[in-house]
Amino acid sequence: LAKTTQPISMDSYEGQEVNITCSHNNIATNDYITWYQQFPSQGPRFIIQGYKTKVTNEVASLFIPADRKSSTLSLPRVSLSDTAVYYCLVGPYSGNTPLVFGKGTRLSVIA
Amino acid sequence: DTGVSQNPRHKITKRGQNVTFRCDPISEHNRLYWYRQTLGQGPEFLTYFQNEAQLEKSRLLSDRFSAERPKGSFSTLEIQRTEQGDSAMYLCASSLAQTSYEQYFGPGTRLTVT
Repeated sequence: LAKTTQPISMDSYEGQEVNITCSHNNIATNDYITWYQQFPSQGPRFIIQGYKTKVTNEVASLFIPADRKSSTLSLPRVSLSDTAVYYCLVGPYSGNTPLVFGKGTRLSVIA
Repeated sequence: DTGVSQNPRHKITKRGQNVTFRCDPISEHNRLYWYRQTLGQGPEFLTYFQNEAQLEKSRLLSDRFSAERPKGSFSTLEIQRTEQGDSAMYLCASSLAQTSYEQYFGPGTRLTVT
């Protein structure tokens, strides 16, 4: 499995756009990039997944450059409720490989 | 069906006792996973099932841990002879096999071993 590296923590003010970058230099051809969000005392929540270029949903956007060695999760106009830990995972879309979570990025949104 | 449910939400037990947790997945999901999470760490994979078959177990899963999914629906995770190091949040997740990286997690069971 490709190892991922992301910042341990980030701070942001409400209303700002937040970009969290994840490095995955050893990503394999059939690997997808998946992001999960976890609030305190809750299980992680799937928020977005992509293979290349850009993916957008109602929660976030995911930007993946052509070499796919990194990706950026973009959260538009964050609010206090976006305070959470964000995990970047890399692996096949389906198969028998379990999810491997790192420590994630702890995002703190300040009023 | 509103999602994955887990019971109990909290469990306090004394060292040496046995505990059992239950997970009810999203009904149409054929895969069910168990994870363990300690403070400040991401979830760690323990084991998973496809239907009733247990397909993989992590080396983290000692002999004191056993999981079942007898009819391919709900699952139980039992810990025998609990130790203080077993104190953690135990998370259950479910998915379809063909989209296994998109997992839906329950709220977890927080185990405290005194």
